Amino acid sequence: DTEVTQTPKHLVMGMTNKKSLKCEQHMGHRAMYWYKQKAKKPPELMFVYSYEKLSINESVPSRFSPECPNSSLLNLHLHALQPEDSALYLCASSQAAQTTYEQYFGPGTRLTVT
Amino acid sequence: AQSVTQPDIHITVSEGASLELRCNYSYGATPYLFWYVQSPGQGLQLLLKYFSGDTLVQGIKGFEAEFKRSQSSFNLRKPSVHWSDAAEYFCAVGAKSNAGKSTFGDGTTLTVKP
Repeated sequence: DTEVTQTPKHLVMGMTNKKSLKCEQHMGHRAMYWYKQKAKKPPELMFVYSYEKLSINESVPSRFSPECPNSSLLNLHLHALQPEDSALYLCASSQAAQTTYEQYFGPGTRLTVT
Repeated sequence: AQSVTQPDIHITVSEGASLELRCNYSYGATPYLFWYVQSPGQGLQLLLKYFSGDTLVQGIKGFEAEFKRSQSSFNLRKPSVHWSDAAEYFCAVGAKSNAGKSTFGDGTTLTVKP
């Protein structure tokens, strides 16, 4: 199974809401990633988890809060977002994070902040 | 620091014609190189990767890429394009000890004419 799943597919939230994005993989991968992608742009790395520990935070605002409950699950908690945070949020996983292995991406969550 | 340049923002080819998408990278040591494809509203899918060894690598969907160290290039090719190949293509570079981070190019949009 080489699939990464993400829920929900679409999310509309107000600036005062709290919501969460979920990501799951069952490939035994030990590295998981959150990316933000704006239209017609490449993915921008937000966070990297390695062996369930946060290893990279690319200076992401605190209104985005990642969580890795176990090796298969990755969450992104959202609070007090701004309209400019509207984007496609992609989750990915790879074999490990000590080196750059190929990444397997989920289909993404299309987030709209109103 | 590593970087990736995809010189062509948009390429249009006729169905059945051959395709070459350009990718130039900048990295001091031996790079790990990837090509990903993204259909509209979807996540990224790995087409092929190069870590070492044979400089001509085969990927999925009939794609291949050639690593040319002297030219710092990793161009993607396909001998005969199908309408379903229309998508966004991203070249990415990583490294053996890069904490799992990949640097993506800005992407090339491929349009296929009937």
